[in-house]
Amino acid sequence: GQQVMQIPQYQHVQEGEDFTTYCNSSTTLSNIQWYKQRPGGHPVFLIQLVKSGEVKKQKRLTFQFGEAKKNSSLHITATQTTDVGTYFCAGKPSNTGKLIFGQGTTLQVKP
Amino acid sequence: NAGVTQTPKFRVLKTGQSMTLLCAQDMNHEYMYWYRQDPGMGLRLIHYSVGEGTTAKGEVPDGYNVSRLKKQNFLLGLESAAPSQTSVYFCASSFQGTTEAFFGQGTRLTVV
Repeated sequence: GQQVMQIPQYQHVQEGEDFTTYCNSSTTLSNIQWYKQRPGGHPVFLIQLVKSGEVKKQKRLTFQFGEAKKNSSLHITATQTTDVGTYFCAGKPSNTGKLIFGQGTTLQVKP
Repeated sequence: NAGVTQTPKFRVLKTGQSMTLLCAQDMNHEYMYWYRQDPGMGLRLIHYSVGEGTTAKGEVPDGYNVSRLKKQNFLLGLESAAPSQTSVYFCASSFQGTTEAFFGQGTRLTVV
């Protein structure tokens, strides 16, 4: 079946260090979305990428969509304690109405 | 606007009991989704709907049924609850399949 794999599952960093999470799909995606879930909360939309090779930035966050539209990454520069949470990628496989989530990467930031 | 509202927020069921989780959205969204979240498993799609009167299976549909009789509501039913269905359930909606999804606050279900 269609799968979206995300690594790593957990990441502990010192405040100020960088962080990257990677997302890979077994099938071509129409788009890739990224969400953040704070502990005890619900997923909240961050951004969507649609075009092959697209790169978008939100302050310290950089999002990339692969040329083949099968992989994506989220990079956070100089992490802060407010970045703590679980980051999910979610993709819509072509020709389906499904929105498939990766397993998520839980980020812990030590002050 | 309330956004996406899930009821109930918490529930404890005995094995074999049935229940219905209600998801309501007031954003006139076409797409609605039900996910379950378990530690280390991320969000797994149970069922989804692309419009009023339509439903489709997701990744883990067994043991669940859904209905979308009204555009604003998406119901998730458990006919005979099992301990393996202990989880946090999230409903989400989106205007189209290619737009951002808005999530409800979640329902924490425990089956004993």
